[in-house]
Amino acid sequence: DQQVKQNSPSLSVQEGRISILNCDYTNSMFDYFLWYKKYPAEGPTFLISISSIKDKNEDGRFTVFLNKSAKHLSLHIVPSQPGDSAVYFCAAAPIAGGTSYGKLTFGQGTILTVHP
Amino acid sequence: DSGVTQTPKHLITATGQRVTLRCSPRSGDLSVYWYQQSLDQGLQFLIQYYNGEERAKGNILERFSAQQFPDLHSELNLSSLELGDSALYFCASSASPGTSGDSGTDTQYFGPGTRLTVL
Repeated sequence: DQQVKQNSPSLSVQEGRISILNCDYTNSMFDYFLWYKKYPAEGPTFLISISSIKDKNEDGRFTVFLNKSAKHLSLHIVPSQPGDSAVYFCAAAPIAGGTSYGKLTFGQGTILTVHP
Repeated sequence: DSGVTQTPKHLITATGQRVTLRCSPRSGDLSVYWYQQSLDQGLQFLIQYYNGEERAKGNILERFSAQQFPDLHSELNLSSLELGDSALYFCASSASPGTSGDSGTDTQYFGPGTRLTVL
């Protein structure tokens, strides 16, 4: 039962263009969403997050959008750079205070390749 | 560099054996989380400790156990190893007990991982 899904295993984008990575979730108890980037032979690196009370959060070239009614979030990278090439994971955390507080549920990841 | 350290980096062992993976959290972080990343399962949450106490549990097998010591480092013990236990094991840490809200203290920072190969 995959509660967090990234349906695109890979995405290829030209340098300077926009990269849009998508993520869907099924569990309505998820309250907080994060994106992590992972390079080979390294651990995931936190990128950006969004709370369910917001629908958008921006940090430099990275913007995360959340559509709660559709249970969908997306990560926009503008402009894309070759150094952005990595695996991107979305993750979801449950409502604070519950017994699963702190547990992140990850999607399967999307491999982003940015071509020069 | 996230500030989370994990040892060893690689571990090769045989079926039926027992291994211990070690994690040191970032300075000041009280929470430690363990995740398993296998080829077919992606990143799966195993267990969380906060200030020495077990806080949350995922799909951790009974053959696996963990603990967090008074100096806040954590160890993940894997016993009666099977071929299917071969995976990357990541440790993460955060300052607070959970991950919710916009506070920077909630963010989980990951270590570089331990690659376990069971032959």
